[in-house]
Amino acid sequence: EAQVTQNPRYLITVTGKKLTVTCSQNMNHEYMSWYRQDPGLGLRQIYYSMNVEVTDKGDVPEGYKVSRKEKRNFPLILESPSPNQTSLYFCASSLLLRGSRSTDTQYFGPGTRLTVL
Amino acid sequence: ELKVEQNPLFLSMQEGKNYTIYCNYSTTSDRLYWYRQDPGKSLESLFVLLSNGAVKQEGRLMASLDTKARLSTLHITAAVHDLSATYFCAVYSGAGSYQLTFGKGTKLSVIP
Repeated sequence: EAQVTQNPRYLITVTGKKLTVTCSQNMNHEYMSWYRQDPGLGLRQIYYSMNVEVTDKGDVPEGYKVSRKEKRNFPLILESPSPNQTSLYFCASSLLLRGSRSTDTQYFGPGTRLTVL
Repeated sequence: ELKVEQNPLFLSMQEGKNYTIYCNYSTTSDRLYWYRQDPGKSLESLFVLLSNGAVKQEGRLMASLDTKARLSTLHITAAVHDLSATYFCAVYSGAGSYQLTFGKGTKLSVIP
């Protein structure tokens, strides 16, 4: 089954304790992305990656790190989480479209609800 | 900076009625996406609109794109309760960037 998986699905942590949220897709997609969703703000892109070892910032990259060492995986790293990073996080993936500066539609993971105390 | 504005942000409508959700964006783009999110769930793709004048329909939902006006519409025909969800449009920034910007979403409630 084609899917994007995220782990963990729920996480409660404390300020300053490093954490990683994993994201994996089995569709051989080049493009992967992380978003956070907050009430009243919609979805905001954190980082995206067009392929292995190619990443770029989205709208709200501060306080986050990513890496893309394998095509299927795109982990999100919070080196020193703070309460303002409490949010619902989504990973997504899609095919890049040749000849167009865009992608096919994105497939979203189930979400990770993070609480930072 | 790309801005994507949806309106209305909240929509309460009776079953059987028609309504339209609007998505305006501030930069040129040849592709626009619509997604649906049910409460407590992830996002699922509804439509990808590829070019000016594109129109796509799925059931009671029809989406269109006017790239000259930088406007997309999502029209709901004869609403039913199952359409209650939050609807998002999204656009790429262009200018060599693959940054994707979403609108804030329209929360639709269909009342029997």
